[in-house]
Amino acid sequence: AQSVTQLGSHVSVSEGALVLLRCNYSSSVPPYLFWYVQYPNQGLQLLLKYTTGATLVKGINGFEAEFKKSETSFHLTKPSAHMSDAAEYFCAVTLNSGGYQKVTFGTGTKLQVIP
Amino acid sequence: NAGVTQTPKFRILKIGQSMTLQCTQDMNHNYMYWYRQDPGMGLKLIYYSVGAGITDKGEVPNGYNVSRSTTEDFPLRLELAAPSQTSVYFCASNSNRDPKGYGYTFGSGTRLTVV
Repeated sequence: AQSVTQLGSHVSVSEGALVLLRCNYSSSVPPYLFWYVQYPNQGLQLLLKYTTGATLVKGINGFEAEFKKSETSFHLTKPSAHMSDAAEYFCAVTLNSGGYQKVTFGTGTKLQVIP
Repeated sequence: NAGVTQTPKFRILKIGQSMTLQCTQDMNHNYMYWYRQDPGMGLKLIYYSVGAGITDKGEVPNGYNVSRSTTEDFPLRLELAAPSQTSVYFCASNSNRDPKGYGYTFGSGTRLTVV
């Protein structure tokens, strides 16, 4: 079984401040981990993913996330928030087990950027 | 590439009416999915398909049907629409042949209101 928990359904940061969106997962086998971003009235767009190898992964728009196995976490960060980062962010996990892989999504975190 | 195309973008249905949400992808992905997104609930999997002619139920299949006659198309059928089916519907696809992992490509969504 696998699950994803996103801490905080709403996060507010000032423009230029650090963005930190939290994601914890549970998985019985090594996971693949993803962050998606959803802008208003749009579909979800893949931001970054961890499959194997380097645990610090970089994505689009200056975001990055670090896979920490000991903490079962995959937090999303960005050093300096921009107004255009205002969106909803979803963490997702799937099992690295071959064949069809069910994806479990978190419930999302809405990021507000204050000018 | 167009990616994943969904039609219509918006629709209002009366209770008891039926409709088909269309989804087409041009990336030769073998896996396709239908999700519904409700506020604060994240994404719930309705149906998925691992290839032409093969479909299976997800978490919330009641009231829906799907078919997959070609690799490209994965329509979602709503029979006897109910207010509980008011939601935003997303189609997505990916490929298990992607050596870099299995991130989804999402369509832009269909916003359905049942009145």
